[in-house]
Amino acid sequence: DIQMTQSPSSLSASVGDRVTITCRASQSISSYLNWYQQKPGKAPKLLIFAASSLQSGVPSRFSGSGSGTDFTLTINSLQPEDSATYYCQQSYSSPWTFGQGTKVEIK
Amino acid sequence: QLQLQESGPGLVKPSETLSLTCTVSGGSVSRNSYYWGWIRQPPGKGLEWIGSIHYSGNTYYNPSLKSRVTISVDSSKNQFSLKLRSVTAADTAVYYCARNIAATYGDWFDPWGQGTLVTVSS
Repeated sequence: DIQMTQSPSSLSASVGDRVTITCRASQSISSYLNWYQQKPGKAPKLLIFAASSLQSGVPSRFSGSGSGTDFTLTINSLQPEDSATYYCQQSYSSPWTFGQGTKVEIK
Repeated sequence: QLQLQESGPGLVKPSETLSLTCTVSGGSVSRNSYYWGWIRQPPGKGLEWIGSIHYSGNTYYNPSLKSRVTISVDSSKNQFSLKLRSVTAADTAVYYCARNIAATYGDWFDPWGQGTLVTVSS
């Protein structure tokens, strides 16, 4: 199985900050990388697919980049409603696997 | 818009079979370009993909669960289902159903059902 490792595991930032979350794959996965946002007690929500494509309806302050083994989710101008846990997921090789999550808190 | 809703028992005894159904509304499970998937999340932990099914019956499973899992689809009811046999406490989790979009640039899940907590306990 392809292992997905996210860093950091958690972070605290202020409203308006730029936040970066990293996801590293245990082998090259080309651009087969997706990002989800999960708020407490809620289902995950798709933010980014294919490494950098913004899902319809997702605010443009979210962006994704990377290819191969290293990927980044960036939140420009962090908002209070962005407090959540973020997961990456690879779909290069079955079984699809997720990162362990990054919890983003607002200072 | 497309909505998914999980249903089934919230409590299952050890060694028994966990059975859940996902009802799809606002769209058809028979769309050729989509698969339909199950993902679970133990309390306080991360996400684990269980498996996915196409309306044609084509399925693929996580090898870690494959020996105990069956996913099926009922196009007439616009539903798909999960059966997980011989459960233990380790199978306690929130179970989500989701549309699995299988595209040129990968597979992703959108949207998701709200999730249902299944506890394995005697």
